[in-house]
Amino acid sequence: QQQVKQSPQSLIVQKGGISIINCAYENTAFDYFPWYQQFPGKGPALLIAIRPDVSEKKEGRFTISFNKSAKQFSLHIMDSQPGDSATYFCAASVAGGYNKLIFGAGTRLAVHP
Amino acid sequence: NAGVTQTPKFRVLKTGQSMTLLCAQDMNHEYMYWYRQDPGMGLRLIHYSVGEGTTAKGEVPDGYNVSRLKKQNFLLGLESAAPSQTSVYFCASTLTAGTSTYEQYFGPGTRLTVT
Repeated sequence: QQQVKQSPQSLIVQKGGISIINCAYENTAFDYFPWYQQFPGKGPALLIAIRPDVSEKKEGRFTISFNKSAKQFSLHIMDSQPGDSATYFCAASVAGGYNKLIFGAGTRLAVHP
Repeated sequence: NAGVTQTPKFRVLKTGQSMTLLCAQDMNHEYMYWYRQDPGMGLRLIHYSVGEGTTAKGEVPDGYNVSRLKKQNFLLGLESAAPSQTSVYFCASTLTAGTSTYEQYFGPGTRLTVT
């Protein structure tokens, strides 16, 4: 039973385009929603995170949009660059739950020049 | 400041063999975690520890054991390896303060193949 569903599995975007990755969850006790970026042969690294008290968070070209009523959140990468080519994971955790993360299945992004 | 380190980086085992994966962190983090990463399944939590001498089961603990004898180290053991344990294993650690949630820092991973 996958608690965090992520789509699409893979995504191809042209340089300068917008990459959009979506995640949905069921557990309303989740209160922390990070996105991790992973390059081949490396461990995941935190990219950006949001809590449900805000609907959007932006850091540079990366934006998280959060819809609490729909139990969905998404990552938008503006002006996508070849260097953004990586696997992206959404995740969620429960407050007081020892920071245990539930990950989505991942999205492999390829940005073509 | 090395962050989170893992040894070994690669390992091939035969079915039934045992091994221990070592994770070390130099950030004085209280919480540590072991995940496995399989294609199309994201990362799944195997075991975790909220302090020296404590461990707890995660989502997929069967076939694994862990120990946290020192705050900076978290060991993952496979007593009798099976082909289903072929995976990439990641260790992570995080700071903690009350019920707040903090970034998890991941190691570079160990690629394990069981034949």
